[in-house]
Amino acid sequence: QKEVEQNSGPLSVPEGAIASLNCTYSDRGSQSFFWYRQYSGKSPELIMSIYSNGDQEDGRFTAQLNKASQYVSLLIRDSQPSDSATYLCAARADRGSTLGRLYFGRGTQLTVWP
Amino acid sequence: EAGVTQFPSHSVIEKGQTVTLRCDPISGHDNLYWYRRVMGKEIKFLLHFVKESKQDESGMPNNRFLAERTGGTYSTLKVQPAELEDSGVYFCASSQLWQGSGNTIYFGEGSWLTVV
Repeated sequence: QKEVEQNSGPLSVPEGAIASLNCTYSDRGSQSFFWYRQYSGKSPELIMSIYSNGDQEDGRFTAQLNKASQYVSLLIRDSQPSDSATYLCAARADRGSTLGRLYFGRGTQLTVWP
Repeated sequence: EAGVTQFPSHSVIEKGQTVTLRCDPISGHDNLYWYRRVMGKEIKFLLHFVKESKQDESGMPNNRFLAERTGGTYSTLKVQPAELEDSGVYFCASSQLWQGSGNTIYFGEGSWLTVV
């Protein structure tokens, strides 16, 4: 059973703070990792992808991957109220019979208060 | 460019009835996926089409669920007969043919199904 676990939250941070979201995965065959943001009633929207150990930065977002620890995280710097949403961590095996299939965590609900 | 579109956005049906959900992927996307999220659980894979062929349907919960993608364009997911535990949000997603790890999967807004 391939599992992705996220800290359950909800997470609440003040505007301007750093929000830290964490995720672990069970399948060492996973090669690609994604963070999706989902506003209530909307589609999951891809905000970060990471494929190798280390950090991947895009604006205020930084994804971190540690394959030895099977750990993925997302840091949101200078958090804004518009960042309030559910953040979904997903892992993907990029070969084999499940090529392309995403395994999701349950999501962490983030609230950024002004 | 239009994203992944799904219809209906919401559906309430009685147990034992039939519902058909439709997904229009992004134009030119040969990969089409169905996922489902039931209350309190994570989003889970149902099946994967490559063009009109079922690549992987191992996530389909039982034979009450039937997915089709005639002509390799839009897809339908039929639930017949619907049961209470089928309630949830059904997401469709699409992507271009596999080009390595950079392949991005785009999601629709989902079809909310309530079985009463």
